Amino acid sequence: SQTIHQWPATLVQPVGSPLSLECTVEGTSNPNLYWYRQAAGRGLQLLFYSVGIGQISSEVPQNLSASRPQDRQFILSSKKLLLSDSSFYLCAWTVGGGDGYTFGSGTRLTVV
Amino acid sequence: EDQVTQSPEALRLQEGESSSLNCSYTVSGLRGLFWYRQDPGKGPEFLFTLYSAGEEKEKERLKATLTKKESFLHITAPKPEDSATYLCAVRPSGGYQKVTFGTGTKLQVIP
Repeated sequence: SQTIHQWPATLVQPVGSPLSLECTVEGTSNPNLYWYRQAAGRGLQLLFYSVGIGQISSEVPQNLSASRPQDRQFILSSKKLLLSDSSFYLCAWTVGGGDGYTFGSGTRLTVV
Repeated sequence: EDQVTQSPEALRLQEGESSSLNCSYTVSGLRGLFWYRQDPGKGPEFLFTLYSAGEEKEKERLKATLTKKESFLHITAPKPEDSATYLCAVRPSGGYQKVTFGTGTKLQVIP
């Protein structure tokens, strides 16, 4: 069966520190992978998506970046965190252009 | 630009009191409309996909319907475990990556 793993679940980081959030998918090949951000009281905001290894499309040009070093691995990074990066980050996957996403359990990031 | 508006923002029901959540949308050609359930501190859980006006789908106490302008999530005889935030999202036919989410309806079911 297909599963998605996202870690860590919670993270507290100082302003200016680097960030690395990881997401892996099991049980499927060549998934479309997504990073979303969800702020309180707001809809999910698409940050990045990838349809293949090394291919990244950015929807929100900020101090965040994404990479896909392997078929089922998606990484969200930042070189220097800002206070405004505090949010709930979600990884998701689909296969092709089909049905709804399967989301990971999310990472609550607090920048202090 | 695609838009999704959900109402009400919050809904409080007594156990067994049926109601409906609304999702109004504008999209440049609908590829699919999705409903998700999200519990606090967790990722959204996929419930339904609707593809065309008139389509209906059911799962336990939930029933989703679709028209050309909106979708409804009907909750029949809800239980406290149905308490969650329900999210609606749309995918346009031209850009299957460009899913737009609403801000959700927070449902609380009181025993």
